[in-house]
Amino acid sequence: QKEVEQDPGPLSVPEGAIVSLNCTYSNSAFQYFMWYRQYSRKGPELLMYTYSSGNKEDGRFTAQVDKSSKYISLFIRDSQPSDSATYLCAGNDYKLSFGAGTTVTVRA
Amino acid sequence: NAGVTQTPKFRVLKTGQSMTLLCAQDMNHEYMYWYRQDPGMGLRLIHYSVGEGTTAKGEVPDGYNVSRLKKQNFLLGLESAAPSQTSVYFCASSYNEAGELFFGEGSRLTVL
Repeated sequence: QKEVEQDPGPLSVPEGAIVSLNCTYSNSAFQYFMWYRQYSRKGPELLMYTYSSGNKEDGRFTAQVDKSSKYISLFIRDSQPSDSATYLCAGNDYKLSFGAGTTVTVRA
Repeated sequence: NAGVTQTPKFRVLKTGQSMTLLCAQDMNHEYMYWYRQDPGMGLRLIHYSVGEGTTAKGEVPDGYNVSRLKKQNFLLGLESAAPSQTSVYFCASSYNEAGELFFGEGSRLTVL
């Protein structure tokens, strides 16, 4: 069983919709949580970084961590076609463990 | 600013052949990693290094070897390639174990 479970989708939404992405994890030692965005045929890039339970907002993106239920979420408001990518969640004790990634398509 | 550079970007091998993937970073990072990415499996850690001259096994190390002779370079070797090693390989580096990972653009390997 993977340490981080993520629904691979795919997810298709119209432009302007809210995108909701979720992961669960099993490793209680995870101290940091990250969301990476990966465009087609490119390497992943860090999108959000959190280290505690609660919400962190950055522009149209909000990352949410609930350590009590071992749940990680990413919300994208006012989604744009340029948000079409694969989103990977990850947890970190002393090295990162990634979820499988969710492929999102935002339709113009 | 190059960041993390992987070579080659594409390679086709026959079963049993050997090859080396090279990763170079210009950010003076201590930590370097090799991942493979397969559909539905996400990124899985093959080997990693916490500094020059050190290497350690990750989640899926079998069939691979690595070396970190210089701080800026991390080599991934396949001694006898198998079709199961067909994948996209990503190198990454970070300043420390809790830091952001910076990824290369990937190396697509096909083993026939």
